[in-house]
Amino acid sequence: DIQMTQSPSSLSASVGDRVTITCQASQDINNYLNWYQQKPGKAPRLLIYDASNLETGVPSRFSGSGSGTDFTFTISSLQPEDIATYYCQQYDNLPLFTFGPGTKVNIK
Amino acid sequence: QVQLQESGPGLVKPSQTLSLTCTVSGGSISSGGYYWSWIRQHPGKGLEWIGYTYYSGNSYYNPSLKRRVTIDTSESQFSLKLSSVTAADTAVYYCARATSLGSNYYFGAFDIWGQGTMVTVSS
Repeated sequence: DIQMTQSPSSLSASVGDRVTITCQASQDINNYLNWYQQKPGKAPRLLIYDASNLETGVPSRFSGSGSGTDFTFTISSLQPEDIATYYCQQYDNLPLFTFGPGTKVNIK
Repeated sequence: QVQLQESGPGLVKPSQTLSLTCTVSGGSISSGGYYWSWIRQHPGKGLEWIGYTYYSGNSYYNPSLKRRVTIDTSESQFSLKLSSVTAADTAVYYCARATSLGSNYYFGAFDIWGQGTMVTVSS
């Protein structure tokens, strides 16, 4: 099975800061990597698909990059409404999906 | 606009079968083009894919749960049955739509989710 790791597990940043989260796969997953945002008590929301494509309606301050085993998710200017947990998810070995453990983003 | 809504008992006894239904509004499962999924989240933990199904009846399950899981579809609903539950199955259960985005034709992204329903396994 493909294992996903994320770092850091949590972070605190100030409004306006650039925030970066990394996701690493245990084997090459091409660009079959998505990013989700989950606010407390809510369902996850798809933000980025195929490593770098912004889902419709998602603010442009969110972006993703990477391929193979190493991926990066960036919030270019952190906003108060971005407080959430962010998950990566791979789909290279369908039909088995796996999610990363999540990164909790807080405001400093 | 497609919306999903989970329903079912919030409390299930150990060894019994957990049964949930996801109602799809604003669209039809039988029109094809998507897989219909169940995903769960243990309290304070990450996300675990349970399985998904296509309108044709083809279903695929997480190997770790395969022995206990059945996912079925009808015109506007799809269901989850998880047998022989234990306290380890206590979680928020989400239904979600798996779609093909980009150019690879794989149904790899979950673009629409229900609000989730908490299921507790306890006697």
